[in-house]
Amino acid sequence: AQSVTQPDARVTVSEGASLQLRCKYSYFGTPYLFWYVQYPRQGLQLLLKYYPGDPVVQGVNGFEAEFSKSNSSFHLRKASVHWSDWAVYFCAVTGSWQLIFGSGTQLTVMP
Amino acid sequence: DAGVTQTPRHEVAEKGQTIILKCEPVSGHNDLFWYRQTKIQGLELLSYFRSKSLMEDGGAFKDRFKAEMLNSSFSTLKIQPTEPKDSAVYLCASGVNYAEQFFGPGTRLTVL
Repeated sequence: AQSVTQPDARVTVSEGASLQLRCKYSYFGTPYLFWYVQYPRQGLQLLLKYYPGDPVVQGVNGFEAEFSKSNSSFHLRKASVHWSDWAVYFCAVTGSWQLIFGSGTQLTVMP
Repeated sequence: DAGVTQTPRHEVAEKGQTIILKCEPVSGHNDLFWYRQTKIQGLELLSYFRSKSLMEDGGAFKDRFKAEMLNSSFSTLKIQPTEPKDSAVYLCASGVNYAEQFFGPGTRLTVL
């Protein structure tokens, strides 16, 4: 079955520290992968997307993610977190029309 | 380009009422999606239109939820009758040919 697992419901980091948010997917076929961010009281905004090619993709605001077929993972990284990154992050997979979302990771940034 | 527009942003309804939520997709997008978002269930797909044709009607949401797309630039989601368990954020998204989806700001529905 197609699915996305975000094993960490909540992550807390200090401002300026590095960040990794984990995403594991299960998909039969060629996956297309996305990371979305949701700020309070807003809709989801696309951070970055992976279409088959270079496994490391760059996104907005210094975010990047690395696709690993062997590990079925698509982890999100940022070298230095800013207080404005406080939000919920969703990983998603598709191979057709339907996006399968993970349950989200709430990122809290400490001063 | 304008993004996805949703109105109203907030809606409060009494149990048993009929409510209609509205969505305007990004111009030129041929895919339109309605989702429900709650803390417990996360994001749930309600319906999917491709070029105004209903492709997916959300299975479990069929009985009281009806999405329509009368033209390529406007969609509605009707909930009739509303129940307290329908309290959630309703998100509309649009896209082009299976590419990434662009989301609206959502409508926060509270059913008393």
